[in-house]
Amino acid sequence: GAGVSQSPSNKVTEKGKDVELRCDPISGHTALYWYRQSLGQGLEFLIYFQGNSAPDKSGLPSDRFSAERTGGSVSTLTIQRTQQEDSAVYLCASSLEADFSYEQYFGPGTRLTVT
Amino acid sequence: GQNIDQPTEMTATEGAIVQINCTYQTSGFNGLFWYQQHAGEAPTFLSYNVLDGLEEKGRFSSFLSRSKGYSYLLLKELQMKDSASYLCAGRDFYNQGGKLIFGQGTELSVKP
Repeated sequence: GAGVSQSPSNKVTEKGKDVELRCDPISGHTALYWYRQSLGQGLEFLIYFQGNSAPDKSGLPSDRFSAERTGGSVSTLTIQRTQQEDSAVYLCASSLEADFSYEQYFGPGTRLTVT
Repeated sequence: GQNIDQPTEMTATEGAIVQINCTYQTSGFNGLFWYQQHAGEAPTFLSYNVLDGLEEKGRFSSFLSRSKGYSYLLLKELQMKDSASYLCAGRDFYNQGGKLIFGQGTELSVKP
């Protein structure tokens, strides 16, 4: 079946602009996670959803970052007033449920470059 | 606090065996994962350990010692395609949502 998809695959934006990154999880997966990976760094947790609610937003770096999930499926990560330090690969993952040790399936990521 | 440590890079020879170590400190412990990530690609799941001992899956095995806060990934009969970054990730007992804390990854280079 189809895996996790993300769009766009690449995004170049000017500092100060807003961007929206989209994630389509695997059908039937109730849990959805956002991570980001800066050059030479490990994956950094941002936020996760169980259904449409976000019980853990602890990883969002600032209030410029927000995310939503509608219909228990597609999620959008929005970064307002982008800064150069926001440049990274943003990865989305989904799993069957959040509360068990189901593996997380990752999408190909969106490479964001802020100029 | 939570911390995952693993070597930054390793080199091994095709056909050989390599062991990638990972140590962790978390507030609680609820499972340790290994992922493989080729350059420019998404991480893919390799293994999961929640109990002490060795889990074997073909050429790849993963070991966990909860008392020592230690895990390793063992790759046998190395192939050139095994050149990738290997990510160790721990799941914290208190984060029931399955949030993973990742180490920086170990870049493995397999030489002929």
